[in-house]
This record gives sequence, C-alpha cells and structure tokens, in this order.
Amino acid sequence: QQQVKQSPQSLIVQKGGISIINCAYENTAFDYFPWYQQFPGKGPALLIAIRPDVSEKKEGRFTISFNKSAKQFSLHIMDSQPGDSATYFCAASSGATNKLIFGTGTLLAVQP
Amino acid sequence: KAGVTQTPRYLIKTRGQQVTLSCSPISGHRSVSWYQQTPGQGLQFLFEYFSETQRNKGNFPGRFSGRQFSNSRSEMNVSTLELGDSALYLCASSSTNFNTGELFFGEGSRLTVL
Repeated sequence: QQQVKQSPQSLIVQKGGISIINCAYENTAFDYFPWYQQFPGKGPALLIAIRPDVSEKKEGRFTISFNKSAKQFSLHIMDSQPGDSATYFCAASSGATNKLIFGTGTLLAVQP
Repeated sequence: KAGVTQTPRYLIKTRGQQVTLSCSPISGHRSVSWYQQTPGQGLQFLFEYFSETQRNKGNFPGRFSGRQFSNSRSEMNVSTLELGDSALYLCASSSTNFNTGELFFGEGSRLTVL
C-alpha cells in the first residue's frame, strides 16, 4: 500500500513534442505529490508538486494532472527540449514527515 | 546560499567493513533525510532527523544507523558492509519537518562494496 507505481520506464520524444509520465498510488493518506528531476551525477531536484485539493497545476512547460478518485497523477512536459533529457521520479508523502515514497523513475530522452 | 554538501563523494570498501557518510544541510535547515538509490530498488527512504531526533525510519536492517548533531549536520553509518549495500546515498535537507516544503538533495556519496 506504500508503493507508488510509475510508467513508462523509459520514453523517447521528439523535440517539441509532449512527454507524459504516469503514476498511481494506493495509500489514500498521501497528501503531497512531488515530481523530481535527476540528471546524471546529480541529486534529484524538485520540479513541481501538487496536493489532492486541486486537479491540475502548471508551472511553465510542466503540468501535473491529478485524479483523486482514480488515485493517479501524471506529469506532462510540453514543447519537450533536449535539455529535459533526464530521469523523472514521482513521489508521495503524508502528514508531518519528509519521508517520500518514490516511483521507480522514467528515463526521458528528447531527440533533437 | 550553499547547497547540501555530502562527503565523501566516492568511496570503496570491502565486505565486513563499516562506513560513515556525512551530510551538511543548507544553512538554516533543521530537517535531514537520507535515501539509498540503486538501479534495482530505486530511491528508498532510510531515515529522517529533525532537531537531533530521529522522526522516521525506513525498512532497512539495524546495520544502517544515523544521527544528527546540534548544528543540523548529519551522519549515517553502515556496519558490516555487504555487496548489496553498494549504492548512491543521498542526503536531503528541508526547512520544515512537515511535507510542506521542498527537499533539497545533495549530489550523493557513491559507495562501492567489493
């Protein structure tokens, strides 16, 4: 019940295209859903996050869509650029803790 | 503002040895969390400290331990190393102990156990 399932494992998108990564969870106590971006040799960095009281959050080219009833959330990267090539992790947490349950990651390659 | 600093960045140990990893959080951050990253298991939570108190512990054996000092710096220790402990160990700091703020990750300490 503590798992966060992420798909796809890898994704190849053409420059200018839309990248979509999906995550699903079981624990209804989760109340914070961040997405992290990780480049090789670096630690993960927060990209965007959402709470279950909203269905969508947009920051620049990055959008989180959240479906509370389906217990799913997704990351959309619009106008994907080669510089977006990285590994993306969804995560979830609940309550008074910084403990994050991470998805298994998606390796995104944006081809020029 | 300096980011999260982890030392050492790389280290090689042999089975049975122990290792201590260090983490200096962003100035003013009192929450420090540790994660293990491996290709097979991904990112897994180890422990979380706030104001020198362990607030949460992940599902790792007792060989994994940690502590936080009064200046918020943190260390984690792994005793009796096993081959499977080879991983990137990431430290993250936050200004709060609630899931309301961003976790800032360091670049990690890459441990290889031979």
